[in-house]
Amino acid sequence: AQTIHQWPVAEIKAVGSPLSLGCTIKGKSSPNLYWYWQATGGTLQQLFYSITVGQVESVVQLNLSASRPKDDQFILSTEKLLLSHSGFYLCAWSLTGDTGQLYFGEGSKLTVL
Amino acid sequence: GDQVEQSPSALSLHEGTDSALRCNFTTTMRSVQWFRQNSRGSLISLFYLASGTKENGRLKSAFDSKERRYSTLHIRDAQLEDSGTYFCAAEAGANTGKLTFGHGTILRVHP
Repeated sequence: AQTIHQWPVAEIKAVGSPLSLGCTIKGKSSPNLYWYWQATGGTLQQLFYSITVGQVESVVQLNLSASRPKDDQFILSTEKLLLSHSGFYLCAWSLTGDTGQLYFGEGSKLTVL
Repeated sequence: GDQVEQSPSALSLHEGTDSALRCNFTTTMRSVQWFRQNSRGSLISLFYLASGTKENGRLKSAFDSKERRYSTLHIRDAQLEDSGTYFCAAEAGANTGKLTFGHGTILRVHP
């Protein structure tokens, strides 16, 4: 069975500090991977997606970057956090070659002060 | 403007009643998914449809197969544990990797 794990569960960070959020998929080779962001009380917005190692497409620029260093790993990061980065970050996966059905991780809650 | 319009934004139901949520799309969509967001914030997948209808227990979803411009989620015999925020999400093009989410429906089921 496939499992998706996100870390950390929650972070409180200062404006201007760096950030790294991680996502690991187990039990599925070459999945499509996605990062979504949800402002408090808001809808979900797709940030990035990746169909293979080393390849990442940006959907919305929020002064964030993403990388896929391994087939089963997707990293979201920035060197300087803004207040507007606060929210809930969700990683998701779908089968190769078809966005089809998405399966989400448990999410990471980020509070920027 | 928004491609996905979800309604209602909030819904209050008595236990045991039926209701429906709806998502209208401003353009033809290839597929639609429905999710429930749990108290932790994670999204639980309820349905994925490329056409037609699917049913699971007291939930049933339909995706307009002709014009592909709307989808519904029906809740039958609502229970307290159905409370939460429901989202639809639709994909316009094949393998675009881009889902557009509705703004969600906050459902509260009360005794």
